[in-house]
Amino acid sequence: GENVEQHPSTLSVQEGDSAVIKCTYSDSASNYFPWYKQELGKGPQLIIDIRSNVGEKKDQRIAVTLNKTAKHFSLHITETQPEDSAVYFCAASSGSQGNLIFGKGTKLSVKP
Amino acid sequence: NAGVTQTPKFQVLKTGQSMTLQCAQDMNHNSMYWYRQDPGMGLRLIYYSASEGTTDKGEVPNGYNVSRLNKREFSLRLESAAPSQTSVYFCASSPEGYSNQPQHFGDGTRLSIL
Repeated sequence: GENVEQHPSTLSVQEGDSAVIKCTYSDSASNYFPWYKQELGKGPQLIIDIRSNVGEKKDQRIAVTLNKTAKHFSLHITETQPEDSAVYFCAASSGSQGNLIFGKGTKLSVKP
Repeated sequence: NAGVTQTPKFQVLKTGQSMTLQCAQDMNHNSMYWYRQDPGMGLRLIYYSASEGTTDKGEVPNGYNVSRLNKREFSLRLESAAPSQTSVYFCASSPEGYSNQPQHFGDGTRLSIL
């Protein structure tokens, strides 16, 4: 079955800097890769997603890149702000199970 | 729009007690999911329902049962709670039961079992 590895587990940046979170997956049949942001006491909220027929997608300060050959995808946040502080999860579709497999999360802290 | 609503938000149980966690969505989605979230473990799928009338086991189904009551509601039952089931439980929904569709999450039920 699918396995998703996420790094780093914690990330601290200064306000205005960029942040990058990386994930690798094992199932070459996976074709959908969402990213979720979870604030304290809340459920995960979808912030961006990418499908396997696209190499990059942007939404304002957030971008996701996908390398199907290497089986890894990354979240890029530019011009970070204190409100970006949260736990971020990557996920990959599991072709055999028809569901999402999540990474273990990255706690991002943006210092003012 | 409420989205996905979970009740209760918090609950404390004693070992051996039973409980049902409720979930309802108002987005007319066909598929619904139950996850548990433990520190350092990410989100793990317990059960899912691809459509009304169907349910399937996920990664960690032992100790749980589910009921898809109708298109809107999907409940999770602990028949005999154990301390290992202390966790935060999240319900999610998606338009269809395909893995390439976004899932929308509720705000969770925080369950402690003593």
